Amino acid sequence: SQKIEQNSEALNIQEGKTATLTCNYTNYSPAYLQWYRQDPGRGPVFLLLIRENEKEKRKERLKVTFDTTLKQSLFHITASQPADSATYLCALKNYNQGGKLIFGQGTELSVKP
Amino acid sequence: GAVVSQHPSWVICKSGTSVKIECRSLDFQATTMFWYRQFPKQSLMLMATSNEGSKATYEQGVEKDKFLINHASLTLSTLTVTSAHPEDSSFYICSANTGAGGNTIYFGEGSWLTVV
Repeated sequence: SQKIEQNSEALNIQEGKTATLTCNYTNYSPAYLQWYRQDPGRGPVFLLLIRENEKEKRKERLKVTFDTTLKQSLFHITASQPADSATYLCALKNYNQGGKLIFGQGTELSVKP
Repeated sequence: GAVVSQHPSWVICKSGTSVKIECRSLDFQATTMFWYRQFPKQSLMLMATSNEGSKATYEQGVEKDKFLINHASLTLSTLTVTSAHPEDSSFYICSANTGAGGNTIYFGEGSWLTVV
């Protein structure tokens, strides 16, 4: 069956450390994968997109990697801040499925001062 | 930047009534919009793809007669929850992409529906 899975347990880290979130997928052939931030009671906000032929993407303190062999994407926040506390969702777009995005369940990140 | 607006942000309705949620793309035209629902602490579940000028495409297990979708213009899609029941209470979110070769998808702020 097709699955997209993220760490279900909340991730608690200290301010200034690097947060690493994992997204694994099974039985998909993603054209690209995206990461979103979602705050409680709000819609998701787009952060980064990485294509199947890209290994790594960076944007300010954010870094995403994509390993199609392992079928895994890692999302890193360096020099984390309490304001980074939120739920982070990965989503993939499968080939031949138009604009549909399939979402993981999200990982809640808490950055303590 | 591109903005997708949803209205209302929250709504409470009585069981058995219908409620309409609007999704608007404010500064771009969206031939396709998507409707999701999300339960607390769970992922966004795609309900349907809304296509301007044609019928919506529903995901497996989503009742098309219960969740009516209309995409009458390039900037507006509506989701009507008909004969609502308490189990329909959820967070409903729409999204749209700007097209033009872009892959960025913008989400609305979501609409909380509570059926009492």
